[in-house]
Amino acid sequence: AQKVTQAQTEISVVEKEDVTLDCVYETRDTTYYLFWYKQPPSGELVFLIRRNSFDEQNEISGRYSWNFQKSTSSFNFTITASQVVDSAVYFCALSEADNAGNMLTFGGGTRLMVKP
Amino acid sequence: DTGVSQNPRHKITKRGQNVTFRCDPISEHNRLYWYRQTLGQGPEFLTYFQNEAQLEKSRLLSDRFSAERPKGSFSTLEIQRTEQGDSAMYLCASRVLQGNYGYTFGSGTRLTVV
Repeated sequence: AQKVTQAQTEISVVEKEDVTLDCVYETRDTTYYLFWYKQPPSGELVFLIRRNSFDEQNEISGRYSWNFQKSTSSFNFTITASQVVDSAVYFCALSEADNAGNMLTFGGGTRLMVKP
Repeated sequence: DTGVSQNPRHKITKRGQNVTFRCDPISEHNRLYWYRQTLGQGPEFLTYFQNEAQLEKSRLLSDRFSAERPKGSFSTLEIQRTEQGDSAMYLCASRVLQGNYGYTFGSGTRLTVV
């Protein structure tokens, strides 16, 4: 069965600090997809990134970067020079290609608070 | 295209009442998913449709929960005889059939059962 663990339930940083959100996953499939979503107070889940299991290259998008390591089953998310607007709950999620429905399995989320 | 729309945004109901939520997905998206999110937790999958066919419903929480997508466009999620434990955010998401690309989520319906 698939499982996603986000061990950090809450992180508090001061603006301009770098912060890394951890995500560890479990799956038996060789083909799967990993996602990160941001959930601001408004409640809507905002898509940030999708990565497939065959692509271990790290990705950078502005202040955001992702580190995918299959050897440790981790898909960590780093925000560089954090800003107050980054305050939200962040979810890591997994979808297995062999699962007909491709439904997402979410971790418990990490609440990030960025203080001015 | 205005994204995934969910109505109502908030619903307060008395225990024992029936409630129905609506989701309007992105028009070209074949697949529609319902998730439930309780306070402090990640979303939990409930059911999904491919066009009008409900292909997975074993994860609906009880037989009080049902969902429909009669014409393959909008979907409704009904909870009968609501209980306080049903209080949660109900999220709808849609995506195209091919590939495994990012799902688009709605803003959710927050249900409070008093």
